[in-house]
Amino acid sequence: DTAVSQTPKYLVTQMGNDKSIKCEQNLGHDTMYWYKQDSKKFLKIMFSYNNKELIINETVPNRFSPKSPDKAHLNLHINSLELGDSAVYFCASSQWRGGRPTGELFFGEGSRLTVL
Amino acid sequence: GDSVTQMEGPVTLSEEAFLTINCTYTATGYPSLFWYVQYPGEGLQLLLKATKADDKGSNKGFEATYRKETTSFHLEKGSVQVSDSAVYFCALSDPGGNEKLTFGTGTRLTIIP
Repeated sequence: DTAVSQTPKYLVTQMGNDKSIKCEQNLGHDTMYWYKQDSKKFLKIMFSYNNKELIINETVPNRFSPKSPDKAHLNLHINSLELGDSAVYFCASSQWRGGRPTGELFFGEGSRLTVL
Repeated sequence: GDSVTQMEGPVTLSEEAFLTINCTYTATGYPSLFWYVQYPGEGLQLLLKATKADDKGSNKGFEATYRKETTSFHLEKGSVQVSDSAVYFCALSDPGGNEKLTFGTGTRLTIIP
């Protein structure tokens, strides 16, 4: 039973296309995230949702649009893909305790996006 | 803003060697500190954490102590194994409470038999 699952694992597409990555967690967590990992392994947060509400929205082009239909799902849609969007995108989830974040994130296996 | 600085890799060690991966941080307030590990082809996993000064986090033979005076959280293991080969990330949480984790750049560790 995969705790945080992402699809697809690999995505190869042309510049200018629109693509989506889906994420689901079965841990019952309230908070979900999208992180981007570049070719040098640098990880940067993009978005975070808590109970379907956007709580972190870093400086990300508005071509990237997250959607959380319920607290177990957080999808990422990317419009007009550019070469620089090539990266591994990680979904993660966590559960707050006592009304405070724990910092303990559970990550999916990542979705490798290659834009040609 | 908050930042985390890790020693540059890659680091290559022989099996049973002693490991240290340095991590220092800059933050306002009192963040929690973490080490995450990423095995090849997988997502990150929490390795250990410390939430206040002088706390020691430990797991799977790895240890790190939260040193407020030196703003450091160095990762150590007394005897590494081939299975420890992975990328290690130091991270801190935003003390503002929105659970934004700031990661270091990662250190690739390779253990040779």
